[in-house]
Amino acid sequence: DIQLTQSPSSLSASVGDRVTISCRASQSITNSLNWYQQKPGKAPKLLIFATFTLQSGVPSRFSGSGSGTDLTLTISSLQPEDSATYYCQQGYRTPVTFGQGTRLEIK
Amino acid sequence: QVQLVQSGGSVVQPGRSLRLSCTGSGFTFSVYAIHWVRQAPGMGLEWVAVISFDGSKKNYADSVRGRFTISRDNSKNTVHLDMISLNSEDTALYFCAREEYAASFDSWGPGSQVTVSS
Repeated sequence: DIQLTQSPSSLSASVGDRVTISCRASQSITNSLNWYQQKPGKAPKLLIFATFTLQSGVPSRFSGSGSGTDLTLTISSLQPEDSATYYCQQGYRTPVTFGQGTRLEIK
Repeated sequence: QVQLVQSGGSVVQPGRSLRLSCTGSGFTFSVYAIHWVRQAPGMGLEWVAVISFDGSKKNYADSVRGRFTISRDNSKNTVHLDMISLNSEDTALYFCAREEYAASFDSWGPGSQVTVSS
């Protein structure tokens, strides 16, 4: 199975900050990397698919980058509503796997 | 609009069985693969199972293979997850999700709570 390791596991940042979350894969997953935002008690919400592509309706402050085994989610200017847990997920090979999550808190 | 509605969550005793259902609307259900993903209390997301658009292909996580069965009825726009021999480690919120490009999950159900407890 492809392992995904996110870092950091948690972080605290201020409104307006630039935030990056890393996702490292145990093997190359080409462009099949997706990012989700999840708020407590809710289903995850797709933010970015295929490494770079912004899902319809998602604010442009969210972006994805990277290749191979090192992928990144960036929030360019943090907003209060971005407080959530973020997960990466690979669809390159079955079984689908998720990173362990990054909890983002707003100071 | 695209919607996935779930039913079937419950509290069950260890060793018992349960069926979860996921019904889609607002899109052509029969052309999409559907997955189940679960989340144990306070934990991350764990993929459980997938069924292809026509039901011809199925795959399972090792943790549920042999105990869970995924099926679909495209005439009713519904996917089922039949779970047997449930144990405490199966306690989780179960989500169904529609697969899109790059095996991303662009639409999710609200979740069905399964609690396995004596």
